[in-house]
Amino acid sequence: LAKTTQPISMDSYEGQEVNITCSHNNIATNDYITWYQQFPSQGPRFIIQGYKTKVTNEVASLFIPADRKSSTLSLPRVSLSDTAVYYCLVGECSSNTGKLIFGQGTTLQVKP
Amino acid sequence: ETGVTQTPRHLVMGMTNKKSLKCEQHLGHNAMYWYKQSAKKPLELMFVYSLEERVENNSVPSRFSPECPNSSHLFLHLHTLQPEDSALYLCASSPSVGTGGETQYFGPGTRLLVL
Repeated sequence: LAKTTQPISMDSYEGQEVNITCSHNNIATNDYITWYQQFPSQGPRFIIQGYKTKVTNEVASLFIPADRKSSTLSLPRVSLSDTAVYYCLVGECSSNTGKLIFGQGTTLQVKP
Repeated sequence: ETGVTQTPRHLVMGMTNKKSLKCEQHLGHNAMYWYKQSAKKPLELMFVYSLEERVENNSVPSRFSPECPNSSHLFLHLHTLQPEDSALYLCASSPSVGTGGETQYFGPGTRLLVL
């Protein structure tokens, strides 16, 4: 079961690019890497998912090195509304239960 | 709107009460999940259902009883809860219980307070 490690908190200013790195040293061969965003008193929301190299969508980019032991979520030009908790997850594939393990996440505070 | 709705959004109950949380997904998914999120703690997976069959019970006390009558609806029946059960209860769905790559879609949650 892959465990993830990410910074507890980060601060940024509006308009800056934010990079949040996640370590997952024990990632399994078939595991995908998924990032979720959660605002207070709401459910998490899917941001981006990848397996290797780079993935980009309208919200973020995800960079995954060749060894897949870490990944970096990149948020371009953040705004105040990007203040949230960001979770990095890797899926457990062995039991086919769809089990996702949420860690503490990274609390991103965007300041004006 | 994620396509997953939960009712009620807020619930206050005494330790002797019986209540139920309801979740409904309008996405045509086959898998549904219950999570618990206590204050300043990570989300904890409670139950997983695939095609109305429970495939995961994550050591949850018996005072929490899930029910999945069909692939679109999921209930969490509550009885004789403890104050430490106060938390945000989140429902999620996904196309299937996949191999670690399935995106889960979460509802807004039910904020539960046990007095």
